Amino acid sequence: DAKTTQPTSMDCAEGRAANLPCNHSTISGNEYVYWYRQIHSQGPQYIIHGLKNNETNEMASLIITEDRKSSTLILPHATLRDTAVYYCIVRVERYGNKLVFGAGTILRVKS
Amino acid sequence: DTAVSQTPKYLVTQMGNDKSIKCEQNLGHDTMYWYKQDSKKFLKIMFSYNNKELIINETVPNRFSPKSPDKAHLNLHINSLELGDSAVYFCASSLSLGMTEAFFGQGTRLTVV
Repeated sequence: DAKTTQPTSMDCAEGRAANLPCNHSTISGNEYVYWYRQIHSQGPQYIIHGLKNNETNEMASLIITEDRKSSTLILPHATLRDTAVYYCIVRVERYGNKLVFGAGTILRVKS
Repeated sequence: DTAVSQTPKYLVTQMGNDKSIKCEQNLGHDTMYWYKQDSKKFLKIMFSYNNKELIINETVPNRFSPKSPDKAHLNLHINSLELGDSAVYFCASSLSLGMTEAFFGQGTRLTVV
């Protein structure tokens, strides 16, 4: 599975959009981009995933560049409860393939 | 209703002891996992079971033995506990192996003294 690169940490003001970047320059055509987050002392939580097209759900939006070498997770109106470690994961959806977590980005939402 | 529940939430034990962590999911999923998160906060998969069958077995000491009595349960038994086993252990489940969305439990913080 392709490797991802994320900033170590980011700050965001409460109520503003949080834009979390992820580079995956070696992504292959059948690899999806997934985002999970881990709030302190909790288990990881699935946020969103996509292949080529931009995706949106009730939690966030995922913007994938046309060349698929990078993506951005957008939390449209960040709240204090969005403070967490955000993981960008690239993987092929196939039987037996596991989720591999990197170091992620620590997002701190501040009032 | 908790989707993936682990017990106990905290476990403090002495070196050399044997302990078990239990995990149950009520989502009707076929696949369950154990992950370990060490003091540096890296999450690493240890095992995964699909319909009670072991599918993924990462490089984990054989002191760790998962047991799946049915597809809703995946327990983790650890023999001869060592200081380095101290970590947070997360159970997770997904609809099937290879599926996108995995649901994680709240974790079991194991401290070996």
